[in-house]
Amino acid sequence: DQQVKQNSPSLSVQEGRISILNCDYTNSMFDYFLWYKKYPAEGPTFLISISSIKDKNEDGRFTVFLNKSAKHLSLHIVPSQPGDSAVYFCAAYTGTASKLTFGTGTRLQVTL
Amino acid sequence: NAGVTQTPKFRILKIGQSMTLQCAQDMNHNYMYWYRQDPGMGLKLIYYSVGAGITDKGEVPNGYNVSRSTTEDFPLRLELAAPSQTSVYFCASRPYNSPLHFGNGTRLTVT
Repeated sequence: DQQVKQNSPSLSVQEGRISILNCDYTNSMFDYFLWYKKYPAEGPTFLISISSIKDKNEDGRFTVFLNKSAKHLSLHIVPSQPGDSAVYFCAAYTGTASKLTFGTGTRLQVTL
Repeated sequence: NAGVTQTPKFRILKIGQSMTLQCAQDMNHNYMYWYRQDPGMGLKLIYYSVGAGITDKGEVPNGYNVSRSTTEDFPLRLELAAPSQTSVYFCASRPYNSPLHFGNGTRLTVT
């Protein structure tokens, strides 16, 4: 039972354009969402997060949008850069739990 | 700060062998976790700990054991290795109400 889903295994975007990575979840108890970025042979690194009381959070080129009614969140990267090429994982947990549930990841390739 | 340190980086085991994956963090984080990542899959939680002396099962605990005798260390034990345990294992830690910090992983092959 995949509670956090990333339906696009891969995405290719030209440098300078917008990258949009999507994530859907099924558990309505999730109230905090995170995006992690992973390069080959390294562990995931935290990128940006959003609480369920917000619908948008920005950090430089990265913006996360949350649509609670649709149980959907997205990560926007503008402008995309070659160094953004990595696997991006969406993750979620409830405020009272210690466990983070991850999606299956989307591999982003930013081309020149 | 070294962050989260995992050893070894790579290991090949024969079926039925046992081994311990080591994880240490120097950030004084209470929460520690073990995840595994199979090809094309997300990270699945094996075990976690909310403090020294306290551990609990995650989604996929079968075939593994953990202990947490100190805040710094959270070793993962495989007693009877099986091919299904071929995976990349990530250890992570975090303070309360903050994101996880991950180690760089241990790539394990069981043949």
